[in-house]
Amino acid sequence: EAQVTQNPRYLITVTGKKLTVTCSQNMNHEYMSWYRQDPGLGLRQIYYSMNVEVTDKGDVPEGYKVSRKEKRNFPLILESPSPNQTSLYFCASSSGQGIPYDSPLHFGNGTRLTVT
Amino acid sequence: DQQVKQNSPSLSVQEGRISILNCDYTNSMFDYFLWYKKYPAEGPTFLISISSIKDKNEDGRFTVFLNKSAKHLSLHIVPSQPGDSAVYFCAAKWGNFGNEKLTFGTGTRLTIIP
Repeated sequence: EAQVTQNPRYLITVTGKKLTVTCSQNMNHEYMSWYRQDPGLGLRQIYYSMNVEVTDKGDVPEGYKVSRKEKRNFPLILESPSPNQTSLYFCASSSGQGIPYDSPLHFGNGTRLTVT
Repeated sequence: DQQVKQNSPSLSVQEGRISILNCDYTNSMFDYFLWYKKYPAEGPTFLISISSIKDKNEDGRFTVFLNKSAKHLSLHIVPSQPGDSAVYFCAAKWGNFGNEKLTFGTGTRLTIIP
C-alpha cells in the first residue's frame, strides 16, 4: 500500500531533550515536506526537500533540523525542544519535484508532540 | 499574516443538503488552489483542485468555484453525506517550478447531521 509513515504517533518529552520524528514513504517520491498544525493557524511548512541531499526552509524552520540522505526517509530533528514546539506534525510527499498540479501532497497520519 | 483564510471554523449541514465551504486569499500570485479533507487521527487527503485560469472544477459531488476578482474560493458538496464530516483545509500554491510554496488555511470543521 502506498503510504507515508511517521513514527511515533504520540510523543511526550521534556524541554531540551533531543528527539527525532521519522518519516518514510514507499512511493519513490522526490519531494518531501514537514508541516505543523496548530489551532487557529492551519498547517505551516517547517522544511522541505526537493530531492536527496537538497533541503530548504519553509515558513517556520526555527528550532528544527532535517536531513535527506536517501529518497524514502526525511526525519525531523528537534535538537533542544521547547514547549512552543508542542504541536501536531505531518510529513508529506509528492511525486516530481515540487508540487505538481497532478500530484498533490500525500500526508502521513501525524505525530502529536508534547514538550513539558 | 494569514494569506489564506477560512473564516468559518465550523459548519453544520443536514444530510442530503448542500454544504458550502468558503476560503478567501490575499496573494494574487497564487496560481493553483486545492482542498484537503482531514479525518481525526489521520493526515489530510487531497480532495479537489482548480487552476487560477479556471472558474469551476467538478468531481462527482464536489465542485470548487474560483472568483479571482473577489479572491474567493468555495467548495460545494451536494448532496452532503455523513462521511463528509471532517475538517476541510483550502490551500493555495505559488512560486516557480522547484521553488513552489503551498499555503494552507486554518480549516473548517464540517458536521453532517443525519
